[in-house]
Amino acid sequence: EADIYQTPRYLVIGTGKKITLECSQTMGHDKMYWYQQDPGMELHLIHYSYGVNSTEKGDLSSESTVSRIRTEHFPLTLESARPSHTSQYLCASSEFSGVGYTFGSGTRLTVV
Amino acid sequence: AQSVTQLDSQVPVFEEAPVELRCNYSSSVSVYLFWYVQYPNQGLQLLLKYLSGSTLVKGINGFEAEFNKSQTSFHLRKPSVHISDTAEYFCAVSPSNSGNTPLVFGKGTRLSVIA
Repeated sequence: EADIYQTPRYLVIGTGKKITLECSQTMGHDKMYWYQQDPGMELHLIHYSYGVNSTEKGDLSSESTVSRIRTEHFPLTLESARPSHTSQYLCASSEFSGVGYTFGSGTRLTVV
Repeated sequence: AQSVTQLDSQVPVFEEAPVELRCNYSSSVSVYLFWYVQYPNQGLQLLLKYLSGSTLVKGINGFEAEFNKSQTSFHLRKPSVHISDTAEYFCAVSPSNSGNTPLVFGKGTRLSVIA
């Protein structure tokens, strides 16, 4: 079944640690996105990619980085986690804008 | 650029009552419009979308939405809600003339269905 997978689902980590949030999709979509969702529900676009070796920063300034070496894989890395990074991170992919996005289940990150 | 305003941050409603979640958008070009639902501890799931054609769009779980170009609105409705409809609902917009512009989401509406 075609889908989009995020791991881990939950992560508690200490300040200063380096972490990578994984996102993979099996649908062959060129477009992939990372959103940060705050406790008040609002979604903020932090990174997106339109294909291999293509990455762009989104509307919300973020200290994270992304890479897109393979079509199916779009990991997000925090070099040094801080409590302000505590949030839910949602990954999504799309074939083209008229179809809409398919979302993963999210990673809930807590930095202590 | 596009923007989306969801007029209600929270909507409480009794079970089996009708509900309307309001969404207004702003855009200088034609748009695609979407409604997504998010259940607790999950990602977003597409409820329905408007691309072109009929202004009344039917989606999953008995939801429907009506595109009103003159009022730049895309309100979501359900004639009779269930407890299981309790969730967050997001309206989103993208320009129809560009496949490379990310969706813009509203801030969400929390629907609480009361038994």
